[in-house]
Amino acid sequence: QKEVEQDPGPLSVPEGAIVSLNCTYSNSAFQYFMWYRQYSRKGPELLMYTYSSGNKEDGRFTAQVDKSSKYISLFIRDSQPSDSATYLCAMSPLSGGSYIPTFGRGTSLIVHP
Amino acid sequence: DTEVTQTPKHLVMGMTNKKSLKCEQHMGHRAMYWYKQKAKKPPELMFVYSYEKLSINESVPSRFSPECPNSSLLNLHLHALQPEDSALYLCASSQGGARTLVNEQFFGPGTRLTVL
Repeated sequence: QKEVEQDPGPLSVPEGAIVSLNCTYSNSAFQYFMWYRQYSRKGPELLMYTYSSGNKEDGRFTAQVDKSSKYISLFIRDSQPSDSATYLCAMSPLSGGSYIPTFGRGTSLIVHP
Repeated sequence: DTEVTQTPKHLVMGMTNKKSLKCEQHMGHRAMYWYKQKAKKPPELMFVYSYEKLSINESVPSRFSPECPNSSLLNLHLHALQPEDSALYLCASSQGGARTLVNEQFFGPGTRLTVL
């Protein structure tokens, strides 16, 4: 079993839809959770990070963490064609030092007009 | 300045060539990383430098040789590569260090490498 599981998709939705992207993990030591967006042939761009259970909102994006279920989500409201990209979750322990995030394989999102 | 820059953007090289990839950041970050990313795959860690010292080498073949001349620069020297080494090479940086509790990474745009 991989430490971080993420459905690769593709996930295709119409413009304006609410998108839900998810990752599950098996390592209880993971305490810090990140979402990256990667456009085709570009480097990943950090979208959001959180280190507590519950929700964190930033504009149209909401990150949700459920540590009891080892499940994290990224919601995108009012999705736009410009949101079409691959979304990578990443997570790491929270104990100081240079901890390397473990990445999910990414979910490809297509928002069509 | 919150940017990680990488040069060149694209590189085509033969299997006998020697080339270098460059990465630069001016965010005061003390940890820098090289990743390799194949199409539709997550980034795969290659090397980590912490305070200009190599701290992690993920069993990368010796045809890849990293170098960290100072806290802002990171190089990846390439020699005698194979066609299967063709990929997007990403540089990232983070605050790093023992006193840092969180470690989000900032990525550069990558160098798309093709080995013929």
